[in-house]
Order: sequence, then C-alpha cells, then structure tokens
Amino acid sequence: AQSVTQPDIHITVSEGASLELRCNYSYGATPYLFWYVQSPGQGLQLLLKYFSGDTLVQGIKGFEAEFKRSQSSFNLRKPSVHWSDAAEYFCAVAPNSGYSTLTFGKGTMLLVSP
Amino acid sequence: GAGVSQSPRYKVAKRGQDVALRCDPISGHVSLFWYQQALGQGPEFLTYFQNEAQLDKSGLPSDRFFAERPEGSVSTLKIQRTQQEDSAVYLCASSLARSSTDTQYFGPGTRLTVL
Repeated sequence: AQSVTQPDIHITVSEGASLELRCNYSYGATPYLFWYVQSPGQGLQLLLKYFSGDTLVQGIKGFEAEFKRSQSSFNLRKPSVHWSDAAEYFCAVAPNSGYSTLTFGKGTMLLVSP
Repeated sequence: GAGVSQSPRYKVAKRGQDVALRCDPISGHVSLFWYQQALGQGPEFLTYFQNEAQLDKSGLPSDRFFAERPEGSVSTLKIQRTQQEDSAVYLCASSLARSSTDTQYFGPGTRLTVL
C-alpha cells in the first residue's frame, strides 16, 4: 500500500528565511506527487505537482519541489518565506494510472515568526 | 468562476442521529471524491464517483456511511447513527476528467461534531 511520511509536524521559520518541508513516500512504482496548502477555514489548494520529466517543478506562490527517486522524496522549498505562507502543508501521492485517489501525509504546520 | 461548495459548513449532531452532507462540484467535472480529515491528520479517501457511478467506496469506514451522486453533479454523503469517532472535517473534491493527472479542486469542507 502506498504511504506518505511528513516527518515534521511543526516548523517555525523567520520571515524572509528559506524553507524546506520534507516528504517521503512509499509506493511500488513512481507515483504522481503533489503538494497542497490548507489555510484555516479554506479548502486545500494545489501548490504544484510532478508527473514525469524535469525533477524540479515550479508551483504557485514561489514554491518549488524536487523529486529524488533514489530517496523516494519530494521536498518542498521556498527561498524566502512571507508571513502569509503560514498554513498547513500536505504532501500527497496518486497512482500513475487510472483515477487519481490521493493519499496524503499527516501534514506540516508552518509558523512564520517576525 | 465558482469553485466546489459544501453545505453545511458546520454540523453538530447528537450520537445516533443521521446526517447528510452536500457537495456541489465545479460544473462539468466528471470526477468527484470524498475525503475525511480527522483532527491533526491528513485527509483520507472515502469514495469516488465518475459521473453518477460510484466506482470506488473502499475508504468508507462502515456500512453507516453512504454516498450518492444520482445525476452526476451534486453529491450527498450520508452518515447513519453517528458515533463520536465520526467527528471530522469531510472534504469534497472534483476534477474535470478521469485521469490521475487532473487537478482535484477541494471545497472548504463540512466540520461534523458528534456529541
């Protein structure tokens, strides 16, 4: 069965500092990979996704993620965090065929300090 | 344009009551998903519809949970004889077609509290 691990429950970053959120997955083949953000009272919003090709993918709001097959990882990065980035971030995988049932990690809560 | 909407946004039920949660997907979206998000957890898949056909209900936790999408648009998730462990946020998502590459658009969720 596929699974997603986000080892950090909470992360605090100073405004303007760089950010990296970790995600590891377990899956028989290379799945499709996603990062979503959830702000309080809001639905999940897709930041970026990886299907194939270039392992560095760019997303919205200045986020990027790098797929590393050898490490089964798909870490999310941002060079300079803004206070408005404070939210919960979820990594997710979906099978690379058929319909896209998402399997989510438990999430990482990002806190931004002034 | 309009996104995915869900109603009610909040629902409080006494243990043993039946509840019905509604999802209005984006118009024209073929695929519709329900997820359950317990406090402090990521969303977990419940069920999947392609138009009016329920193709996957493997995530429904018990036979008290029932979902339908009779005309291939609006969907209702019904929980019978609610239990405290049913307390969670129920998320609905829709996507344009049937492929894993299609983006799922999520609604704001319905927060269910069972007392």
